[in-house]
Amino acid sequence: DSGVTQTPKHLITATGQRVTLRCSPRSGDLSVYWYQQSLDQGLQFLIQYYNGEERAKGNILERFSAQQFPDLHSELNLSSLELGDSALYFCASSTFGQAEAFFGQGTRLTVV
Amino acid sequence: AQKITQTQPGMFVQEKEAVTLDCTYDTSDQSYGLFWYKQPSSGEMIFLIYQGSYDEQNATEGRYSLNFQKARKSANLVISASQLGDSAMYFCAMRDDNAGNMLTFGGGTRLMVKP
Repeated sequence: DSGVTQTPKHLITATGQRVTLRCSPRSGDLSVYWYQQSLDQGLQFLIQYYNGEERAKGNILERFSAQQFPDLHSELNLSSLELGDSALYFCASSTFGQAEAFFGQGTRLTVV
Repeated sequence: AQKITQTQPGMFVQEKEAVTLDCTYDTSDQSYGLFWYKQPSSGEMIFLIYQGSYDEQNATEGRYSLNFQKARKSANLVISASQLGDSAMYFCAMRDDNAGNMLTFGGGTRLMVKP
């Protein structure tokens, strides 16, 4: 168990809908990262938050947004969903001075 | 821009034998970190091993070792004494220390251990 908790584990929704993925980082970790794993794009970094503030942005679509709350949990919001958004979405967390990032079990999103 | 290349889409290894998974990287930065993660069929990403660009010795973690050749920009993972539970996808990743701590991943290698 990595200590990073993601909910829900599975999500099936229709095109055009909006969903929210939730992540609780490891205790004490201030950084949260979101990654998308799809068959065609592989594993891609989406966005990073550090102690409530956006720190870095990767290949994140404008339809997607994220935030990190004062209790350090994070949410990834995906809107106007398309079939191509079907993927495994990972949250990872790390802390200053620690090399590795620990990943949650992922949320598997299926858009139908 | 950083790039990670894993040239072996799939590999077989006999149980109890050693196996090397290849990883090459491209970066113009001097300070970076290299990682290997394991993804079993259940989907989670499990951290295996880390090598810093300034580390002079190759990293080892139990049956995992990282063969770091900086001049060749390679960071191969060696798994000794393969076990059936080692069957999984393996991803090499790099972190650029000067551009935040996000990871850039390679395409992965599927390792299958034969009994």
